[in-house]
Amino acid sequence: EPEVTQTPSHQVTQMGQEVILRCVPISNHLYFYWYRQILGQKVEFLVSFYNNEISEKSEIFDDQFSVERPDGSNFTLKIRSTKLEDSAMYFCASSRDSHWNIQETQYFGPGTRLLVL
Amino acid sequence: AQSVTQLDSQVPVFEEAPVELRCNYSSSVSVYLFWYVQYPNQGLQLLLKYLSGSTLVKGINGFEAEFNKSQTSFHLRKPSVHISDTAEYFCAVSPGGYNKLIFGAGTRLAVHP
Repeated sequence: EPEVTQTPSHQVTQMGQEVILRCVPISNHLYFYWYRQILGQKVEFLVSFYNNEISEKSEIFDDQFSVERPDGSNFTLKIRSTKLEDSAMYFCASSRDSHWNIQETQYFGPGTRLLVL
Repeated sequence: AQSVTQLDSQVPVFEEAPVELRCNYSSSVSVYLFWYVQYPNQGLQLLLKYLSGSTLVKGINGFEAEFNKSQTSFHLRKPSVHISDTAEYFCAVSPGGYNKLIFGAGTRLAVHP
C-alpha cells in the first residue's frame, strides 16, 4: 500500500540554524500539507500546497517557514533560523485531490521529530 | 473559527469492554468530521469520516462514530476493544470547502488485559 514517507525521523539542531524536513507524498496525490505537534499540544495545521503554490497557510507559518516541491517526488519544509519553540513533531500529509464539498482523505507520514537546542 | 474538544485526555479500559471517546466541535460553517488513530512511532491513520448522509459512520477496525448536529458531537465507539487498539485517537474537523484539518488534543486509549 502506498504511503507518505518522511526523512529524517529525528533531527537535532542548534538555535539559529536552518533545517529542511523532507517528505515524499503518495505518487498520484496533488495536495500536500504540513502539520506540527508540539509536545503535549494539539496537531496544528501549518500549510497546504497545490499546483506549486501555497493554497492556505496558518498564522504559525510566518516568513521563517517555506515549502517547496523541488522535483516530482519530494515536498520540503524549510525552517530558517530555528527557535527553541520550533521543537515539535512535524507531519507531512498528502491527498489525491480536493473539491469544494468533497473532502479527500489526507494520508499522513510518520513525522519528523525536531529538537532545537 | 472552528475548534475541537476531546474531553478525555486518557481512557483506560479492559480488553473486550466497550469504549467511547468523546469529541465536540464548534463551527459557524458546515464541517466534515474525522477520527484519526496514531499507533506508537507511526503517522496518523484515518479511522473514519463523516461528510454527509447517514449520521452513523462505520470505519476500520470495528470503530464507528455518530454525528450529532444538535449536540455538535462526533463520539467514537467500539463495542469490544483489543489490546491492539491501544493508541492515540484524534478527532478533527475540516471546514466545508477548505483543505486543512483542525485537530483536537487527542485521547490516549490504553487497553489492559
